[in-house]
Amino acid sequence: EVQLMESGGGLVQPGGSLRLSCAVSGLTFSSHWMHWVRQAPGKGLVWISRINGDGRSTSYGDSVKGRFTISRDNAKSTLFLQMDNLEPDDTALYFCTTEYLHSFYYWGQGAVVTVSS
Amino acid sequence: YVLTQPPSVSVAPGQTARITCEGSNFGIKRIHWYQQRPGQAPVMVVYADNARPSGIPERFSGSNSGSTATLTINRVEAGDEADYYCQVWDSSSDHPYAFGSGTKVTVL
Repeated sequence: EVQLMESGGGLVQPGGSLRLSCAVSGLTFSSHWMHWVRQAPGKGLVWISRINGDGRSTSYGDSVKGRFTISRDNAKSTLFLQMDNLEPDDTALYFCTTEYLHSFYYWGQGAVVTVSS
Repeated sequence: YVLTQPPSVSVAPGQTARITCEGSNFGIKRIHWYQQRPGQAPVMVVYADNARPSGIPERFSGSNSGSTATLTINRVEAGDEADYYCQVWDSSSDHPYAFGSGTKVTVL
């Protein structure tokens, strides 16, 4: 059974930082491109970042480019999202997800990030 | 890349729900669909226009006419009440993975 488990969410002040983790089991982690998708309260899904299998290629949505950094540790089957200079609009539920044919096949349950003073 | 979905669809139990998704150049793109029940993570129900992941009932099907993609739910059940999102990959965009705004399906 494939499982994705996010952790590291919480309450942070504007301008602060958080690091999300996503532990993956049940599949060959290094073979899969991985993504982060977020959902603001009461809003829809928004793609924010992806990383290829060996970690050498990354891309970001405009809303987080220059502030967020995606990375992975294939030895530990773990995906990360370093979030710096956080803004109130970054308040959301953050999901990690695996890619298959440019779709999002498996999803974690999400980590809540709240940016507020 | 903009994907347009109706905000809501209402359907009686046992009937058929159809959720549309419109965008440009759909003929060369593959459309994916996700179900998100309240308080839960999204679940893929259709990928690559009309393929079903393992464990998804045959009641769920997808189609792509080239200008409009449609998710069809046959014999709707109470448990199908959820938000549904379409998604595409646009290689020419700086924001290549785009979601539609979502459609709330209400089972009457």
